[in-house]
Amino acid sequence: QVQLVQSGGGVVQPGRSLRLSCAGSGFTFGSYGMHWVRQAPGKGLEWVTVISYDGSDKYYADSVKGRFTISRDNSKKTLDLEMNSLRAEDTAVYYCGKDLPPGWVGMDVWGQGTTVTVSS
Amino acid sequence: QSALTQPASVSGSPGQSITISCTGTSSDVGGYNHVSWYQQYPGKAPKLMIYQVSNRPSGISNRFSGSKSGNTASLTISGLQAEDEADYYCSSYTSSSTLEGYVFGTGTKVTV
Repeated sequence: QVQLVQSGGGVVQPGRSLRLSCAGSGFTFGSYGMHWVRQAPGKGLEWVTVISYDGSDKYYADSVKGRFTISRDNSKKTLDLEMNSLRAEDTAVYYCGKDLPPGWVGMDVWGQGTTVTVSS
Repeated sequence: QSALTQPASVSGSPGQSITISCTGTSSDVGGYNHVSWYQQYPGKAPKLMIYQVSNRPSGISNRFSGSKSGNTASLTISGLQAEDEADYYCSSYTSSSTLEGYVFGTGTKVTV
């Protein structure tokens, strides 16, 4: 079935780095844009970043621009999020999400979420 | 990159209809038909309920419907059921001179 399985996450000190991964299966991974969305404890959803189906276009939320980098490997059907200079306010559950087909907007498949805790 | 504005909570009795509003600006909700709605249960990943303002993905009940007028989008749940009790978030594509991306709403807790 169509699914996204996430890995990575954990506890990291402020200023350090962490890498999250998301593996797709059951669909043609290289045909869809992919997102990262996060949710701080007890808070709402916050869009983080998106990458186009071929990796040529990437957009970031102001809160992570210059610190986070999204990338993908379509041959391995994986999506990554490299997080640098982490701050306490980056503490959240991070979800990867698959876009609808090109021309449509919405995330129709989500990963299970992975927790990132930034604390000394 | 301000969040879209939703009411914090909406409640209704079983069988009733409720509507959740999502207010943005001409740079997001009002400027594009790229509004989607998500349902989220505690501790679970969000689920797409509506995309492109008013389209339902396969498998989503027709009790859920979406619309938009100006800078405000709305999600209506008719024939409210106990299982509809969850958090709901709107989302929109956004583009301005300094930013391109997506933005979520503040979220609405629906109580049945």
